[in-house]
Amino acid sequence: GAVVSQHPSWVICKSGTSVKIECRSLDFQATTMFWYRQFPKQSLMLMATSNEGSKATYEQGVEKDKFLINHASLTLSTLTVTSAHPEDSSFYICSASTRGFSYEQYFGPGTRLTVT
Amino acid sequence: AQSVTQPDIHITVSEGASLELRCNYSYGATPYLFWYVQSPGQGLQLLLKYFSGDTLVQGIKGFEAEFKRSQSSFNLRKPSVHWSDAAEYFCAVGRGTGTASKLTFGTGTRLQVTL
Repeated sequence: GAVVSQHPSWVICKSGTSVKIECRSLDFQATTMFWYRQFPKQSLMLMATSNEGSKATYEQGVEKDKFLINHASLTLSTLTVTSAHPEDSSFYICSASTRGFSYEQYFGPGTRLTVT
Repeated sequence: AQSVTQPDIHITVSEGASLELRCNYSYGATPYLFWYVQSPGQGLQLLLKYFSGDTLVQGIKGFEAEFKRSQSSFNLRKPSVHWSDAAEYFCAVGRGTGTASKLTFGTGTRLQVTL
């Protein structure tokens, strides 16, 4: 149980375009979802926290207009990288948690974004 | 601000040997501590967690960790490593409460297992 999927698993886009990444909780309802960014050989950095039906809360230094997060349902959150540039190339990981899974986050497999 | 330090970037052990991965944290309150493992193509998997109580925590896959408040450490151990344990290991500290608890991760330790 507690499976989180991400789609796509990898994506290549041209500089200036936008790309959307989906995060789904497959077998539970996620009241909170988190988006992380991971650079090669580095740690996961929390970008934002989103609660279903509410605006996302972004961490300091994360551009909310560039990284648009929508948590429209209890099973789906999306991250849209707008006007992507090569420096946005990274590994994006989502996680989900819910009432009853106190303090435990379930992670998706990640999405590799390459901006050319 | 909370922080997590994993001093070992890369560790190599022989299969069957014991393992200890180090983790030190900085946090003003009682920490909620986690160890995750990341394998290629798979999401981070929770190995174990510490919230309170017994300072020796048992996890999945034969792993255990010991919380030592005096040393601000939460080291991960396994008595006998298997080749399938080769992966990236992350220590994390949780801040906040409830389902909105946020995680701060260490930089990870890559474990290589030789046969």
